[in-house]
Amino acid sequence: AQTVTQSQPEMSVQEAETVTLSCTYDTSESNYYLFWYKQPPSRQMILVIRQEAYKQQNATENRFSVNFQKAAKSFSLKISDSQLGDTAMYFCAFTLQGAQKLVFGQGTRLTINP
Amino acid sequence: DAGITQSPRHKVTETGTPVTLRCHQTENHRYMYWYRQDPGHGLRLIHYSYGVKDTDKGEVSDGYSVSRSKTEDFLLTLESATSSQTSVYFCAIKTGTANTEAFFGQGTRLTVV
Repeated sequence: AQTVTQSQPEMSVQEAETVTLSCTYDTSESNYYLFWYKQPPSRQMILVIRQEAYKQQNATENRFSVNFQKAAKSFSLKISDSQLGDTAMYFCAFTLQGAQKLVFGQGTRLTINP
Repeated sequence: DAGITQSPRHKVTETGTPVTLRCHQTENHRYMYWYRQDPGHGLRLIHYSYGVKDTDKGEVSDGYSVSRSKTEDFLLTLESATSSQTSVYFCAIKTGTANTEAFFGQGTRLTVV
C-alpha cells in the first residue's frame, strides 16, 4: 500500500523568507503523480502544484517549486518570498497512474509571521 | 472552481440519527469522491464513484453508504451517526489531462453530539 509522510506538523517563518516543507512517500510503482494542496483557514482545498513521476524536471508555479527526488521518494515544497497569505495547512498527496485513490499525508501547518 | 457544491456546510446532529450529505457538480465529471479530514490523519477516502450507480469503498467506509443516481449528485449517508464520525467531510472530483488532479468542494463540518 502507498503511504505519504509529512514529518513536520508545524512550521513558522517570517514574511519574505523561504520555507521548505518535507514529504516522503512509499511505493513500488514507477508511474505516479504527486501533489501539494493548500488549505487556508477558509477550509478550501487548493491545488498548488503537481509533479509527474516520469518527468525529471521539477515543477514550478510562480513562488512555489518542488524538489522531486524519485530514488529517495522525496517530494518537498519550497515557497519563496513567503507572504502572509501563504499561512495554511499544506498536504502532500500521491496517486498512481490510472488509480482512483489519492493518498494524503498528515499535513503541515505553516504560519507566516509579519 | 470546478463547479462542486456541498450541502449543508455545517450540521450538528444527535448520536443515532441518520445524516445525508450532498455533493453536486455541474461539469459532468465521471469520478467523484468523499473524504473525511481529521487532525493528524490528513484526508482519508470514504467512498468513491466512477459512474452512475458505480461506487466502491475507500479505507474508512465502515458506517457510511453512498449513492449516485445521477452524474451530478453523489450522496454520503451516515445511517446512524456516532461521535467518531464528527469530522470535516470533503467531496472531490477528478479532472486534469490524465484524470489525476482532484478538485474539492468547500467541505461540510459535521458534529455528532
